Amino acid sequence: GAGVSQSPSNKVTEKGKDVELRCDPISGHTALYWYRQRLGQGLEFLIYFQGNSAPDKSGLPSDRFSAERTGESVSTLTIQRTQQEDSAVYLCASSLQSSGANVLTFGAGSRLTVL
Amino acid sequence: AQTVTQSQPEMSVQEAETVTLSCTYDTSESNYYLFWYKQPPSRQMILVIRQEAYKQQNATENRFSVNFQKAAKSFSLKISDSQLGDTAMYFCAFMKHGNKLVFGAGTILRVKS
Repeated sequence: GAGVSQSPSNKVTEKGKDVELRCDPISGHTALYWYRQRLGQGLEFLIYFQGNSAPDKSGLPSDRFSAERTGESVSTLTIQRTQQEDSAVYLCASSLQSSGANVLTFGAGSRLTVL
Repeated sequence: AQTVTQSQPEMSVQEAETVTLSCTYDTSESNYYLFWYKQPPSRQMILVIRQEAYKQQNATENRFSVNFQKAAKSFSLKISDSQLGDTAMYFCAFMKHGNKLVFGAGTILRVKS
């Protein structure tokens, strides 16, 4: 597609339920990132995939969070046993890894509300 | 670890005037990239401008320009002839070559008519 696509755009769930958020990167982009943005705050790095390399999971806040990516395609961020503090917008971005500056193109985000 | 600091939580500017947003960063790297992203109320992140650390010349994009001071680890954004559509949250960001993008906390800019 022309841009980074994220689904769902909005998700309301009950505390303790599992949620899956999906990201479709731009075709051909080898790098994919997940960020979390709490209301009125900055972007918190979660995880970074680059080609066939092991992902950088250093930003995942707890073992309830996990992410997968199929090749250089779709990624899914899974949050198990959701808590109210997980409420945030989850932003996905992709980039064409090159020797130059890696400009990230962001999706519109998935807003998660945990009741 | 790299850190990015934006010391101005909020700024206001009158339409058509100039405003400067501050950003400092901390790194021991010599090869890196700096970015300013804009996030309007629609929450879509939009690249405003980028700078390669090895380039001494300050980047410019139309009304947007940066003052990159490598020794001082400072990367401020100047917006000239401010427009109402510039109202947004502005994020400064740092990337080590081939690595993740690290963001500052953001500055809310309000352009007033």
